[in-house]
Amino acid sequence: DADVTQTPRNRITKTGKRIMLECSQTKGHDRMYWYRQDPGLGLRLIYYSFDVKDINKGEISDGYSVSRQAQAKFSLSLESAIPNQTALYFCATSGGTSFYEQYFGPGTRLTVT
Amino acid sequence: EDQVTQSPEALRLQEGESSSLNCSYTVSGLRGLFWYRQDPGKGPEFLFTLYSAGEEKEKERLKATLTKKESFLHITAPKPEDSATYLCAVYAGGTSYGKLTFGQGTILTVHP
Repeated sequence: DADVTQTPRNRITKTGKRIMLECSQTKGHDRMYWYRQDPGLGLRLIYYSFDVKDINKGEISDGYSVSRQAQAKFSLSLESAIPNQTALYFCATSGGTSFYEQYFGPGTRLTVT
Repeated sequence: EDQVTQSPEALRLQEGESSSLNCSYTVSGLRGLFWYRQDPGKGPEFLFTLYSAGEEKEKERLKATLTKKESFLHITAPKPEDSATYLCAVYAGGTSYGKLTFGQGTILTVHP
């Protein structure tokens, strides 16, 4: 079984809809991250969390919110989706002595029409 | 501000034709440099961590090296299954505590 899972894997939604992307991990890591990836722009950090009570904004947090429900679960919400949020979204985790080595999930392809 | 630049943007090789990918970085106090492999539509797969200049890591046909300004990913006798995007990232700590800065990636295509 995969250490980092993301659901859904693919989602098509309409402008203005609220959508939640979920991430779960079995690696026992305390740190979790949400990135988006766009062609030509690389990976950009949306939010990150170092433990359940510690949540921080990344470089592109506008239009997004997150919830850390447990050490193993970190959700990303788009409150009112817009077409330029169409992208690949990745969850990542890190922890232990090499807390900066991040391990990525398989990604969610989100299309906003 | 931490910066990572990868070159070339794309590289096409014949099977067996060895080459290198470059990752140049500008950071204040490098704590770690990371290489990832990413297949289309999939999440980045962790390959290597390098911590200090002079360090080398190897895995199958891949060898990563690090200097004070750049890292190289050497691919020896590549096979078509090595085709992927290779990402480089750095961790500098300080104001970037806990966060990685990624390069844009090099798209490698290996033809049979």
